[in-house]
Amino acid sequence: GAVVSQHPSRVICKSGTSVKIECRSLDFQATTMFWYRQFPKQSLMLMATSNEGSKATYEQGVEKDKFLINHASLTLSTLTVTSAHPEDSSFYICSAPYTTNEKLFFGSGTQLSVL
Amino acid sequence: RKEVEQDPGPFNVPEGATVAFNCTYSNSASQSFFWYRQDCRKEPKLLMSVYSSGNEDGRFTAQLNRASQYISLLIRDSKLSDSATYLCVVNGLRDMRFGAGTRLTVKP
Repeated sequence: GAVVSQHPSRVICKSGTSVKIECRSLDFQATTMFWYRQFPKQSLMLMATSNEGSKATYEQGVEKDKFLINHASLTLSTLTVTSAHPEDSSFYICSAPYTTNEKLFFGSGTQLSVL
Repeated sequence: RKEVEQDPGPFNVPEGATVAFNCTYSNSASQSFFWYRQDCRKEPKLLMSVYSSGNEDGRFTAQLNRASQYISLLIRDSKLSDSATYLCVVNGLRDMRFGAGTRLTVKP
């Protein structure tokens, strides 16, 4: 079945550094990918929708310059957390629909810890 | 008003109990509906799609009411392994929206 691969699974970094998270659709093309953040004991919060060939659409309250999204190809989207701070520590997860209106396939998530 | 709202929970039930979750959505143009299950610090996994005619998969039954704009999930004969957070997902024309999730704990 369709698979979404997300790397890395865990990152520990110093405050001020940038962290890149990759999300790949392994056996299907994803023109759209979704990026979420989840704090402990809270639900997934949609951060942005990544669109291949065009700019990402960010949710209200999400800083575009802080969370850079690049959808370089039909199988790869990246999220870069720039100048990370401790409050950015969270579980980040991507997903992609197999086709329009189809169920989502999720990456396995990235636990980011900023010291 | 949130686009997708779920029962806040938590639900703490004994093994063998029947438990039901509801989820309402605000966008009448929503086209597809799903229930996902998420274990702690894991990615959500599809539990079942929700169809207008209702659908059943073993102990799980999902229903959709378009007129009232809600979906439901019924779990019969709860097992300890059913303990998780259950998310309803509603797919509009361009994106998918998640409910806040309902935490279920099944106790011996």
